[in-house]
Amino acid sequence: GQQVMQIPQYQHVQEGEDFTTYCNSSTTLSNIQWYKQRPGGHPVFLIQLVKSGEVKKQKRLTFQFGEAKKNSSLHITATQTTDVGTYFCAGQPTSGTYKYIFGTGTRLKVLA
Amino acid sequence: DTAVSQTPKYLVTQMGNDKSIKCEQNLGHDTMYWYKQDSKKFLKIMFSYNNKELIINETVPNRFSPKSPDKAHLNLHINSLELGDSAVYFCASSQRILTARDEQYFGPGTRLTVT
Repeated sequence: GQQVMQIPQYQHVQEGEDFTTYCNSSTTLSNIQWYKQRPGGHPVFLIQLVKSGEVKKQKRLTFQFGEAKKNSSLHITATQTTDVGTYFCAGQPTSGTYKYIFGTGTRLKVLA
Repeated sequence: DTAVSQTPKYLVTQMGNDKSIKCEQNLGHDTMYWYKQDSKKFLKIMFSYNNKELIINETVPNRFSPKSPDKAHLNLHINSLELGDSAVYFCASSQRILTARDEQYFGPGTRLTVT
């Protein structure tokens, strides 16, 4: 079946260091969304990428959609303790029921 | 006002019991979802409704039955609860149908523990 994997599964960084999570889909995607879930919280939408090779920035966060529309990445520059949480990508396949398939998630811990 | 609300927040029950979780959204959205998040944090879609019509029904046991009385409400009833049903269940909504690529708004979750 269609799968979306993320690496790494866990990442511990020192505050101020950079962080990147990678998202890889087994099938071509129509678009990809990114969500953040704080510990004990619920997923909150961050951004959506639609075009091949698209790059979007939100302050210290940079999101990229691969040329083949099968992978994506989220890069955080100079992490802060408020960045702690699990980051999920969610890909929408180009065919089928159009449901979003959530990635396996990357848990980020930032050490002060 | 909370955009997507769920009740109860916590649910502890014994195996074999039947329980329901309720969800309401006040965003005027057309589409609602149920997701299950297991202990490893994997988020998996279970059901989706668009304007009270079931549009996604993933491979979940028949013990799970969603109901949407109107487009602002989506409930989940679970019969004969099993240990493996323990998880956090999230309700979510989006403005239009899935092909519109709208963001999803998640509720606070219901942590179900089956003993």
